[in-house]
Order: sequence, then structure tokens, then C-alpha cells
Amino acid sequence: QSALTQPRSVSGSPGQSVTISCTGTSSDVGGHNDVSWYQQYPGKAPKLIIYDVTKRPSGVPDRFSGSKSGDAASLTISGLQADDEADYFCCSYAGTYSSLYVFGTGTTVTVL
Amino acid sequence: EVQLVESGGGLVQPGGSLRLSCAASGFDFDKYWMSWVRQAPGKGLEWVANIKQDASEKYSVDSVRGRFTISRDNAKKLLFLQMNRLRVGDTAVYYCVRDNGGSSNYFDSWGLGTVVTVSS
Repeated sequence: QSALTQPRSVSGSPGQSVTISCTGTSSDVGGHNDVSWYQQYPGKAPKLIIYDVTKRPSGVPDRFSGSKSGDAASLTISGLQADDEADYFCCSYAGTYSSLYVFGTGTTVTVL
Repeated sequence: EVQLVESGGGLVQPGGSLRLSCAASGFDFDKYWMSWVRQAPGKGLEWVANIKQDASEKYSVDSVRGRFTISRDNAKKLLFLQMNRLRVGDTAVYYCVRDNGGSSNYFDSWGLGTVVTVSS
């Protein structure tokens, strides 16, 4: 099971929107609505920010939104803020013998 | 408040063993799947293994199957990862994670992690 493909980095100015893509296959992203996204600051544990493709846990700002089309999912951060600067990882349930879950390669968001 | 606290990491030689523990609190431990997820230095996240609420089902990624064993003690709210025949490539931060496995699959709470270094 190969890692999901994410851009290495994206950047934007405060107030702008950025979108991070997460490309998989019909065996993972395309085959399940179990796509989640995690935010990770350097040296810290990841934090869930999106689950079930579009849902936000309590406490996560509505500036974060998720979507999916075919074998690709996306995370959009609207109204970019300085503390959005972090690494972001997508994850999909795959349900295969090789691995139940597959994570993305990770994207660093830089606020200019 | 959900808390997951890992312990047991350290430096071990290739071929050696380590047992990681995770103490859970703040939620009904026996009602959740639990997972271990690891992150090699400077790399991305990798799901390692998970275990059902009653330990009747256990799954693991190809690269650790046959070497790592996940287990749990619901009475003591503890999760374990027994790691045998360790390789240099197993070097990583290991996170204990609450796994919302079932009809909807995602990781909603994470521990701070414990560092495992495999080196001669």
C-alpha cells in the first residue's frame, strides 16, 4: 500500500486561502469515505482536524474544510492565519491486508 | 479529558526487543479500538497496528507483521506494543492513538509519543 500523494509545500499570505491535495487510488481514497486530516506542529503530536471527508471535530475552526472527488481529497484553509503554519497529513482507510490505513506524504503550510 | 501517555521507548540494538506501554484515562477505554502510529525522523506518519475493544481482532502493517504484537489490558486501561527483531528502519516516534474504528475510521486522540531508536 503506497502513501497518498500530497504536495511537499504550499504557501499563502494571511487572509488568503490555500488548498492541499491528497491523491490516492480506488482502493483507499476512492473506495472509502474515511478520509481524515491531521495538523502537526514541529515536535508535537498530530491533531485531528477533519474526519469522514468533511466533518470537523468540536473546537476546530470552520476555516478548515474538506472535500473529495474520485481518488483525490482536499483540505482547504480559508482566512489563513499565522498559527496555521504547520505540517498537514491526510489519511484514508484502505482495509487491505497490507495496511488498514494509509497516510499522505505530508504538506508544509507556510504563511508568508 | 482524554489522555494517552506512552512509555517504554529507548535505544536498542538491531535484533533486540522493546515493549511499549500506553496508559489511557479520561474515557471508556474498553469501548474503543486503539492503534499505534509511528513517525520516522523527518518523515511522515505510518499506521502500525490496531486492536479491537475486546482484543478479538488485531491488524498490522506488512512491515511489522510477525515481529510486533499489539495487546491491551482493559482492566488497567493499558495498551501495549511488543516489538521484536527490531530493525534500524523501525526507528521512530511511536504514538498511542484512539482509533474510532468501525463504521467511521479515524484517529481522534493522540499521545505525546515515545522515541524508539534502533542502532548499533
